[in-house]
Amino acid sequence: AQTVTQSQPEMSVQEAETVTLSCTYDTSESDYYLFWYKQPPSRQMILVIRQEAYKQQNATENRFSVNFQKAAKSFSLKISDSQLGDAAMYFCAYRSHGGGADGLTFGKGTHLIIQP
Amino acid sequence: NAGVMQNPRHLVRRRGQEARLRCSPMKGHSHVYWYRQLPEEGLKFMVYLQKENIIDESGMPKERFSAEFPKEGPSILRIQQVVRGDSAAYFCASSPSGRNQPQHFGDGTRLSIL
Repeated sequence: AQTVTQSQPEMSVQEAETVTLSCTYDTSESDYYLFWYKQPPSRQMILVIRQEAYKQQNATENRFSVNFQKAAKSFSLKISDSQLGDAAMYFCAYRSHGGGADGLTFGKGTHLIIQP
Repeated sequence: NAGVMQNPRHLVRRRGQEARLRCSPMKGHSHVYWYRQLPEEGLKFMVYLQKENIIDESGMPKERFSAEFPKEGPSILRIQQVVRGDSAAYFCASSPSGRNQPQHFGDGTRLSIL
């Protein structure tokens, strides 16, 4: 079974600075998807960014980018120019591409605090 | 273009009662997933359904929990004889087809058991 580990329960960053959230995962599969979801206090789950394991290029969405290291099974999220609206819980998630489990496997989350 | 709709947003039940949680997927989506989020935890997969079929229920407790996605109408997650440990946020997600498509989440139903 796959596992996802987020080792930082909480991170704090000054507004306009850059912050990196860590995520590692364990799998024996070679093809899969990785995601970062944001959950603000409203508790909505918002997809931030998605990475396909067969793609070597790191995904980017505006101020959000990932550092995907397949050999190390690491998938960190970098948020540049942090804004107050970025404050939320951030969850890293894994999903099989082939015959594995259908659902997403989530980490326990990192609580991101933005200091004004 | 409405997103995934879950209702109710909040549901309070007494121990022993039944809880019914509803999920209407996004228009054009025929795949539905249910997840449970306990306090201070990430979401845990429960069940994956397509219209009239349960595809994967490996995360669903064997007793008291059931799910359906009928040909017409929303998907229903049903919890019979609720206990305090069922208190959680229950999220539904949908996708247009299978695992190659990202899942879009609803706002969740917060279930509280008195």
